[in-house]
Amino acid sequence: DAGITQSPRHKVTETGTPVTLRCHQTENHRYMYWYRQDPGHGLRLIHYSYGVKDTDKGEVSDGYSVSRSKTEDFLLTLESATSSQTSVYFCAISDGQGSEQYFGPGTRLTVT
Amino acid sequence: GIQVEQSPPDLILQEGANSTLRCNFSDSVNNLQWFHQNPWGQLINLFYIPSGTKQNGRLSATTVATERYSLLYISSSQTTDSGVYFCAVEIQGAQKLVFGQGTRLTINP
Repeated sequence: DAGITQSPRHKVTETGTPVTLRCHQTENHRYMYWYRQDPGHGLRLIHYSYGVKDTDKGEVSDGYSVSRSKTEDFLLTLESATSSQTSVYFCAISDGQGSEQYFGPGTRLTVT
Repeated sequence: GIQVEQSPPDLILQEGANSTLRCNFSDSVNNLQWFHQNPWGQLINLFYIPSGTKQNGRLSATTVATERYSLLYISSSQTTDSGVYFCAVEIQGAQKLVFGQGTRLTINP
């Protein structure tokens, strides 16, 4: 199994509070991704990174920011959480474009 | 954007049965993956198969890139095969996987 961990695994927070989710990899893969999974929508890309300090937006990036200061860590921040951001968040890694992606265990976030 | 359609949406079978899951996509792809999401929510990589045929135990997959579809075969189903099976594709330059809606497979003992 690819070495990907996510923290926290579960979190309940209130509307308007900031939240940061962490993804950590031990595979030294160049690309890292954040997806969210919602009923009826499958998995959708939020942001991705193609190297340290190199990030770009995905299809559902509004309300989210990311940072990657080290190869192994990719952080997803919700500056002011809203109920529409209640979801399961998955981190993924890959060696490059077109390469196989491997997913972390997921973080279940509930915004009340 | 690219469309990914999976069929059937739901499938209920008895243990020991065989099944075929289909994934149609609307554009040329440079990555196609099949995943199994187990009842605990974990996404498990089954196949990386942008073209050709692969087998892994009771599971096999075939992608016909020129006709834009992929098939996942599960033989001699077991209750542990239950869950949702996703097909996901990546087109050249897209930097992301686009997922289908999944096929929910239920294997009854």
